[in-house]
Amino acid sequence: EADIYQTPRYLVIGTGKKITLECSQTMGHDKMYWYQQDPGMELHLIHYSYGVNSTEKGDLSSESTVSRIRTEHFPLTLESARPSHTSQYLCASSDPITGNEQFFGPGTRLTVL
Amino acid sequence: GNSVTQMEGPVTLSEEAFLTINCTYTATGYPSLFWYVQYPGEGLQLLLKATKADDKGSNKGFEATYRKETTSFHLEKGSVQVSDSAVYFCALSWTGANSKLTFGKGITLSVRP
Repeated sequence: EADIYQTPRYLVIGTGKKITLECSQTMGHDKMYWYQQDPGMELHLIHYSYGVNSTEKGDLSSESTVSRIRTEHFPLTLESARPSHTSQYLCASSDPITGNEQFFGPGTRLTVL
Repeated sequence: GNSVTQMEGPVTLSEEAFLTINCTYTATGYPSLFWYVQYPGEGLQLLLKATKADDKGSNKGFEATYRKETTSFHLEKGSVQVSDSAVYFCALSWTGANSKLTFGKGITLSVRP
């Protein structure tokens, strides 16, 4: 069973606050991803990582930043949250050996007031 | 570049109806193809996949066949249930260390009792 965790599941926060969304996986996958999902359900890749100390920007520009200090951990940070950051954020990981199937966490629903 | 096109939604069906969700792709060569499902309030999970032409992926009564002649990977189920209500995403990926998933826009399926 794939295990990938995201915390918090829901977050309501005021404008200007710094937030970190946590993502951890126990599968030893090198590749990890962050997606932003809009209300129409479309997925947008905002960050990805191919391993420790590797981070890349995705297809959709985002004001968030990520870090990858440990294989299992891929947190996403917003230095100053704004209402435009309100969205669902999904984390995923994959192993190219198994054909690039991605395993997803349950998501964090962020609301910025 | 690579792209995935899904039929426009949403789709509403009565229980036990036949389901077809269309998916076509644009890519050079033969990528791996996937269907993911997202139940309300959850992350995505892999429903089925096919890695080469004429392969049929199947799971939970759903099927999809990799058709290279028509560059399609349509999802079908003979008799839908209320519990199938979810968002369905078609996606493609290439094997290899640096490949990412390319998703379609997703389609919402609602099944009425």
